[in-house]
Amino acid sequence: SQQGEEDPQALSIQEGENATMNCSYKTSINNLQWYRQNSGRGLVHLILIRSNEREKHSGRLRVTLDTSKKSSSLLITASRAADTASYFCATAPSGNTPLVFGKGTRLSVIA
Amino acid sequence: EAGVAQSPRYKIIEKRQSVAFWCNPISGHATLYWYQQILGQGPKLLIQFQNNGVVDDSQLPKDRFSAERLKGVDSTLKIQPAKLEDSAVYLCASSSPAGSGNTIYFGEGSWLTVV
Repeated sequence: SQQGEEDPQALSIQEGENATMNCSYKTSINNLQWYRQNSGRGLVHLILIRSNEREKHSGRLRVTLDTSKKSSSLLITASRAADTASYFCATAPSGNTPLVFGKGTRLSVIA
Repeated sequence: EAGVAQSPRYKIIEKRQSVAFWCNPISGHATLYWYQQILGQGPKLLIQFQNNGVVDDSQLPKDRFSAERLKGVDSTLKIQPAKLEDSAVYLCASSSPAGSGNTIYFGEGSWLTVV
């Protein structure tokens, strides 16, 4: 079963705009991770946020986590055409249990 | 550092035929995963190995899917006989140590089309 659900399913923006994707999950987690998948490629890890963290930054990426609402958001600032990809959140319920992925958000950045 | 290697990249087979996918994880990674990703969906875990032992295979359709990691390094995933609904990308990934608190590194995937 899939734990995380991303919203929206698809997002289309102009280059230079910010893109925000949300992820909701059902059970308590140890950490939440975001991955990117370019068309026809494997997934690439972007960022990990632990359950005791509220916000994390990495370059143009900003991730927030609200464990009370069981939700996370990924913000990509000043988007570029190269950011066009699918973005997945993945949760680790506890300890060493395997990551469970959501269905993803397909982001299109138009030049 | 070499990434996760998978082969073949693409395979087309007829239903009821068999197919095998091979994966070589990043050197030194004890944990290896096989995920199935159907078009438009997120990856679904099929099986997780820790060295040469199975940690989780609860979502592996064992009547037709099998996987092994005999020497604790590379791994093979087999489907026999294949069904139309097995058309998907089969992603191999590895991590060290076990992945929930650490980054998982994915290969490029093996694309299977069953006709």
